[in-house]
Amino acid sequence: AQSVAQPEDQVNVAEGNPLTVKCTYSVSGNPYLFWYVQYPNRGLQFLLKYITGDNLVKGSYGFEAEFNKSQTSFHLKKPSALVSDSALYFCAVRDISYNTDKLIFGTGTRLQVFP
Amino acid sequence: KAGVTQTPRYLIKTRGQQVTLSCSPISGHRSVSWYQQTPGQGLQFLFEYFSETQRNKGNFPGRFSGRQFSNSRSEMNVSTLELGDSALYLCASSFPRDSNYEQYFGPGTRLTVT
Repeated sequence: AQSVAQPEDQVNVAEGNPLTVKCTYSVSGNPYLFWYVQYPNRGLQFLLKYITGDNLVKGSYGFEAEFNKSQTSFHLKKPSALVSDSALYFCAVRDISYNTDKLIFGTGTRLQVFP
Repeated sequence: KAGVTQTPRYLIKTRGQQVTLSCSPISGHRSVSWYQQTPGQGLQFLFEYFSETQRNKGNFPGRFSGRQFSNSRSEMNVSTLELGDSALYLCASSFPRDSNYEQYFGPGTRLTVT
């Protein structure tokens, strides 16, 4: 069965410091991986995806993620955190079953950026 | 291009009642998926519709049902509401199997069951 794991419930970082939000996956075959962000009382906003190609993926708002096949990881990173980055972050993998767009989500990591 | 819209945004119901939530996908998108978000269970897949047909269903009881109309708009219905159905219900749309593989989410409907 396919799954993603986000081992940290919360990540705290000071503004201006680099941030990393961790995600590992378990998929048979090639994974399609995504990061979404959720602000309070809002839906999910797409940040970035890995489908194929370069292992370093750049996304919205200065975020990037590194796909590591040997470690089955897809960690989200940003060189310099902003207070406005504080939100709930979800890693997801697309179900590889035929004929579906279903996403399987991790449990989410709350990012808190302190001024 | 307008995003995914969901109505209503907030809803309060009593146990035993039923509720219908609505989702309008992005214009041109034909696939609509529904997810339930709760603090305890996280984001869980409910069902997925394409061309008015349910093509995938999550592990939820039969009280949860949905449908899709010819204009791709979708509704989900929950009958005989229970306290545990209190959640944020998210709808997502996509152009199925396209090269972007992205799902676009609406703002959600916050359902509170008392």
